[in-house]
Formats: sequence, C-alpha cells, structure tokens
Amino acid sequence: SQTIHQWPATLVQPVGSPLSLECTVEGTSNPNLYWYRQAAGRGLQLLFYSVGIGQISSEVPQNLSASRPQDRQFILSSKKLLLSDSGFYLCAWTQGAWTDTQYFGPGTRLTVL
Amino acid sequence: SQKIEQNSEALNIQEGKTATLTCNYTNYSPAYLQWYRQDPGRGPVFLLLIRENEKEKRKERLKVTFDTTLKQSLFHITASQPADSATYLCALSGGGADGLTFGKGTHLIIQP
Repeated sequence: SQTIHQWPATLVQPVGSPLSLECTVEGTSNPNLYWYRQAAGRGLQLLFYSVGIGQISSEVPQNLSASRPQDRQFILSSKKLLLSDSGFYLCAWTQGAWTDTQYFGPGTRLTVL
Repeated sequence: SQKIEQNSEALNIQEGKTATLTCNYTNYSPAYLQWYRQDPGRGPVFLLLIRENEKEKRKERLKVTFDTTLKQSLFHITASQPADSATYLCALSGGGADGLTFGKGTHLIIQP
C-alpha cells in the first residue's frame, strides 16, 4: 500500500531563517506531487506541483521554492522565512491527474516568530 | 472569479441524527466534486467523489448529491456519531488542466 511521510511534524523558526520541509511517498511510482499551505481560517492553498523529477510548477509567487530531486521526494524550501509563512504545510500525491483523489501527508506545523 | 462556499460556522448535531453539509460554488463548471474529512492537526482524508453526470453517490453512512443547476453539493452523514466530528472540505475541479480547488471547510460537531 502507498504511504506518504512528511517531516518535521512541527517547526518553530525565526524570521529570516532558512526552511527545508521534506515529503516522501512509498509504494507508488511516478506520482504527481503537491505542496499546500493551510493558514488559520483559510482554505488549502496550492503552492507547487510536480509531474516528474525536476519539473516544478508554481501556483503562487512567494519566497518559497520547491524541488523534486527523486521520483518520490518533494522538498519545500525558503532562503529567508517571513512571518506570513506560518501555517500548516501539507504534501499530497495523486497517481494520475491532479484532479484525481489526493492523498495527503500528516503535515508540518510551521511557526515563524 | 471562481468561488466555493462552505458554511464557516460550526454545525452542531445531536448524535443519531443526520448531518447535512452544504457546498455552493459560483463561476465554475466542475467536472466533478470531492469531499474530504480533516481532523485537527492532520491532513485531509478523501471520502467521496461525484461526477457532474451523477446525481447521488453513497458510501456506508455517507451520501453526496450534486446539483449542477443549483451549483450545489450536499453531504449527508446518517446516524451520526461523535466520532464523525471533524472539518469537512469540498473540492472542485473543472477537469483537464484545471486544478483542484478546496473550500474552507465546515466544522461538524456531533454531540452525544
């Protein structure tokens, strides 16, 4: 069966510090991968998606970036965090189109102070 | 612009009753609609998908309806239980290259 992992589960970072969140999927190959952010009182906001190694599409301009160094690994990064980057970050995958059922990871709670 | 509306207020339902959640949308022609459940501090979990040419879909105690004329989906939980308490998200897609857009969710509380 397929599983999706995210780490760390919780992170507290000062403003201006770098960020690296990791997501890995097991039990499937060539998944479509997604990064979402869920801020308090707001819906899920799609940040990035990837249909293959090295292929990244950005939905929202920001100081975040994403990379996919391996087929089942997706990384969310920032060189300098802002207060507004605080939120709940979720990684998800689909086997087919991104309109298919999305399978979410456990999430990372990021607090920027 | 495209908009998805779910009741932002918490919905309180007595245990054993049927809970009905609403998802309204505007400026969309969705090919299909999905419902997810999200527990506090966890990622959403897929529940049901209904296509534009389907009026109703059922899964155990869950039922989803999709009215493209009213631009509305209703999500029903029959014989509700306290364990059904969670936030429920609807998500729409126009199909093809369009992405999946999520509503903000409705917080459901089933009281014993």
